[in-house]
Amino acid sequence: EAQVTQNPRYLITVTGKKLTVTCSQNMNHEYMSWYRQDPGLGLRQIYYSMNVEVTDKGDVPEGYKVSRKEKRNFPLILESPSPNQTSLYFCASSLRRLGGPQYFGPGTRLLVL
Amino acid sequence: AQTVTQSQPEMSVQEAETVTLSCTYDTSESDYYLFWYKQPPSRQMILVIRQEAYKQQNATENRFSVNFQKAAKSFSLKISDSQLGDAAMYFCAYRSPEASRYTGNQFYFGTGTSLTVIP
Repeated sequence: EAQVTQNPRYLITVTGKKLTVTCSQNMNHEYMSWYRQDPGLGLRQIYYSMNVEVTDKGDVPEGYKVSRKEKRNFPLILESPSPNQTSLYFCASSLRRLGGPQYFGPGTRLLVL
Repeated sequence: AQTVTQSQPEMSVQEAETVTLSCTYDTSESDYYLFWYKQPPSRQMILVIRQEAYKQQNATENRFSVNFQKAAKSFSLKISDSQLGDAAMYFCAYRSPEASRYTGNQFYFGTGTSLTVIP
């Protein structure tokens, strides 16, 4: 089944404790991205990647890191989480060309205490 | 950069009635793609419909259809015969066909419209 998976789905952590949210897709998509969703603000892009080893900042990259060492994986790293990073996070992927839609993972709900 | 505007934060509709959600966008590109996504209470993002800018014909998917006005840069979603399961947040999205020379980013989202279906 074609899908985007994220882990974990729910996470409670404390300020300053490094964490990683994994994202994996099995559709051979070049383009992958991370979003955060907050009430009233819609989806805001954190980072995106057009291909392996190619990443770039989105609208709200501060406090986040990403890497793209393999085509299928695009982990999101919070090196020192803060309470303002409490949010719902989505990973998404798509083909780089042909105008296809993004396919989204199920979301990761993060609470930073 | 392209911008996508959804001016209706909340909408409601009676069950079995028709509702239209608005979306406008700003772009200087002539070729692009537009999407509507549905996000039910489960929070999963579900693709509802897709429109290619070079096609004049409005896309339709069962009870969902769009009114695409390229000159006006408008892309509204019409839901006919509304059902309780249509209650969700709806996001309008824009996609550039290729990464521009200014940015590799290709996707832009509106802030969403929360649709309530009244039994």
